[in-house]
Amino acid sequence: QQQVRQSSQSLTVWEGETAILNCSYENSAFDYFPWYQQFPGEGPALLIAIRSVSDKKEDGRFTIFFNKREKNLSLHIKDSQPGDSATYFCAAYASSSFSKLVFGQGTSLSVVP
Amino acid sequence: EAAVTQSPRSKVAVTGGKVTLSCHQTNNHDYMYWYRQDTGHGLRLIHYSYVADSTEKGDIPDGYKASRPSQENFSLILELASLSQTAVYFCASSDQYSGNTLYFGEGSRLIVV
Repeated sequence: QQQVRQSSQSLTVWEGETAILNCSYENSAFDYFPWYQQFPGEGPALLIAIRSVSDKKEDGRFTIFFNKREKNLSLHIKDSQPGDSATYFCAAYASSSFSKLVFGQGTSLSVVP
Repeated sequence: EAAVTQSPRSKVAVTGGKVTLSCHQTNNHDYMYWYRQDTGHGLRLIHYSYVADSTEKGDIPDGYKASRPSQENFSLILELASLSQTAVYFCASSDQYSGNTLYFGEGSRLIVV
């Protein structure tokens, strides 16, 4: 049973395009949604995160759009660069009780020059 | 300066042999985790620990043991390695105030032959 699901295992975009990575979840108790970025040969690192009280979180070229009613969210990477090529993990957390982060399967993004 | 370090970074083990993966953190975090990464499955939690001398089972604990002898150190033990345990293993830490932000090590690639 996959509590957090990412719709694409891989995505390829051209340099300068907006990459859109989609994620959905099942547990209504989840209220914190971080995205982790992982480069080859490295561990994942926190990129950007949103709380369920917000519907949008922006940090430079990275924006999370969150839809609580539909239980889905997306990460938009504007003006994609080859250096953004990495695997992106959507994750979810329920702060009502100590819980553990639940990760999606990951989306491997390739940005072609 | 890496705050979560794993050793070995790479290992080839024989089926039925014992494998120990070690993790050391200098973040002064209470919580530590072991994840397994496989293509198509994302990051799956094996064991975690809130405090020294105590460990908890994660989502896929079968075939793995964990040991937390001190706040800084957390080991993952495969008593009888199997082919299905070939994967990349990540250790992570978090503090009690932001248990939803994980700091990962660089990973240990294990190949069981």
